[in-house]
Amino acid sequence: NAGVMQNPRHLVRRRGQEARLRCSPMKGHSHVYWYRQLPEEGLKFMVYLQKENIIDESGMPKERFSAEFPKEGPSILRIQQVVRGDSAAYFCASSPNAGDGQYFGPGTRLTVT
Amino acid sequence: QQQVKQSPQSLIVQKGGISIINCAYENTAFDYFPWYQQFPGKGPALLIAIRPDVSEKKEGRFTISFNKSAKQFSLHIMDSQPGDSATYFCAASRKGSNYQLIWGAGTKLIIKP
Repeated sequence: NAGVMQNPRHLVRRRGQEARLRCSPMKGHSHVYWYRQLPEEGLKFMVYLQKENIIDESGMPKERFSAEFPKEGPSILRIQQVVRGDSAAYFCASSPNAGDGQYFGPGTRLTVT
Repeated sequence: QQQVKQSPQSLIVQKGGISIINCAYENTAFDYFPWYQQFPGKGPALLIAIRPDVSEKKEGRFTISFNKSAKQFSLHIMDSQPGDSATYFCAASRKGSNYQLIWGAGTKLIIKP
């Protein structure tokens, strides 16, 4: 019974490049949340998706950031034209139903040089 | 109104002692209060959660105490062990915000052998 999987675990990008972060939810979970964590801080909500739908993107910057959760395959968080301030750990979580516990993946640590 | 305030920022407890971490919230619409444990370089792991219709929930050595009138909740770790040394986060969510988790700033717990 695999947990939430994220890849890559570490990603280094130069300023201006694109970053693609992937998240495969737990089996049977159709709700995916993305969060960002800066060092020594709590997590900050970015976006909530269900299969093929963005439900809530209120925490995601309107420019350069996008997310999707297609019918088949993992959820993708895409950051275009990365800047140094995008350096952070990005976590996704999945839950079987809205309001149930959210289970987190190991995260992707993005470093922008 | 969306904040969750967590204290203390760091905590040192002797092995076998009781670790207590506190959180306070403002928004009375919150209806789900989880606690997460995070080790360095890992994703948060759901420890225990409570809803406001009960005042206490216990799972093994972990207990949540919930005070609805004071808008406070706390995590108690009984018989603390060195393996419990980690960062602990409280969080809160509500249906009206699609259950996005609002996080406390975290407590770094060190259990001294």
